[in-house]
Amino acid sequence: NAGVTQTPKFRILKIGQSMTLQCTQDMNHNYMYWYRQDPGMGLKLIYYSVGAGITDKGEVPNGYNVSRSTTEDFPLRLELAAPSQTSVYFCATEASGNYEQYFGPGTRLTVT
Amino acid sequence: AQSVTQPDIHITVSEGASLELRCNYSYGATPYLFWYVQSPGQGLQLLLKYFSGDTLVQGIKGFEAEFKRSQSSFNLRKPSVHWSDAAEYFCAVGAGAAGNKLTFGGGTRVLVKP
Repeated sequence: NAGVTQTPKFRILKIGQSMTLQCTQDMNHNYMYWYRQDPGMGLKLIYYSVGAGITDKGEVPNGYNVSRSTTEDFPLRLELAAPSQTSVYFCATEASGNYEQYFGPGTRLTVT
Repeated sequence: AQSVTQPDIHITVSEGASLELRCNYSYGATPYLFWYVQSPGQGLQLLLKYFSGDTLVQGIKGFEAEFKRSQSSFNLRKPSVHWSDAAEYFCAVGAGAAGNKLTFGGGTRVLVKP
């Protein structure tokens, strides 16, 4: 039982490159979330999903895209990387009605 | 819009001393309140949560928090701190509805002196 896994752990991108941050869970939770954490700041919600095929924007969605084709996977796509997207990205899951979010270990992304 | 303020960016406490972390929230309806802890290089772990009922809630690792509606506060406490409690602590508020979108405070970093 791995819980929430995120890959890669670290990544350096050049401006304008694209990449996908992977998030996979084996807890059969319906809800999944993507947050970013900037240095010295709290987490901000980028996108979330309440089930396969259903996604919605959070507080800071610009520059990102998501998809949810299965319960297990919730990838986050950066199309044209910008320095402002340098951050640590966390994926989280939640069983519907439980209100407790379980976080992955994070992906540290640097855009230069 | 909901918001969370954690007034203390850093707190240094001696091992064995008590700890209190402050959290003030702004939310239009009944808030769902949470405290999370983040150890260096790790994801967040839930310490405790409050939805309704008894305003003093117990969590893991010996932490407790008290909800005070009149003060819009949800302060976290621990009677005796251990060196392993050195971490960053985040208060969060959510709607509790489908898609429990959380708004986090900026965090309080706790340093523990031997």
